[in-house]
Amino acid sequence: DAKTTQPNSMESNEEEPVHLPCNHSTISGTDYIHWYRQLPSQGPEYVIHGLTSNVNNRMASLAIAEDRKSSTLILHRATLRDAAVYYCILRPASYNQGGKLIFGQGTELSVKP
Amino acid sequence: KAGVTQTPRYLIKTRGQQVTLSCSPISGHRSVSWYQQTPGQGLQFLFEYFSETQRNKGNFPGRFSGRQFSNSRSEMNVSTLELGDSALYLCASSFKRGYTDTQYFGPGTRLTVL
Repeated sequence: DAKTTQPNSMESNEEEPVHLPCNHSTISGTDYIHWYRQLPSQGPEYVIHGLTSNVNNRMASLAIAEDRKSSTLILHRATLRDAAVYYCILRPASYNQGGKLIFGQGTELSVKP
Repeated sequence: KAGVTQTPRYLIKTRGQQVTLSCSPISGHRSVSWYQQTPGQGLQFLFEYFSETQRNKGNFPGRFSGRQFSNSRSEMNVSTLELGDSALYLCASSFKRGYTDTQYFGPGTRLTVL
């Protein structure tokens, strides 16, 4: 399974944009890039995913490098509720739903008021 | 739709006992996965069930087992508990999106082994 590398921690100020990087130099052509986050005392929650093109949803944006060896999760205006551990995960394309998520250590994001 | 529910939320057991944890997936989701989270090892995949069959298994001893019922509800069992089994056990059900999927996690069961 391809590996991802993320910084252990990052700090942000409230209402400012946050760019969370992820390196995945061994990504294969059929790997999807997923982001999940885990708020304190909760289970992980899905944030966003993409394959090749940049993606936006109500929670965040995902910018994927042209060579797909890195990606960046963008929170446009950080709030205190965005303080969490963010995980970047590669998922092989599959006809089947389910299967394991391989979590790394993630990036612990703290947001200062 | 109701989210993934797990029962019980907290559990205290002693070494050598066994424990059964329960997970109810989101309605219509047929895949259920289990994860163990500890401060030292982080989040680790235990196993996955789909249509009552174990489809994937992580690197855990045979003391950890699971099953899935026809209504997609799942249980995991840990026999002969050890102190190191103290952890947050998370269950997730899966929703397919094209050639990938999204997993929805429950709040977890906090198991403490004394």
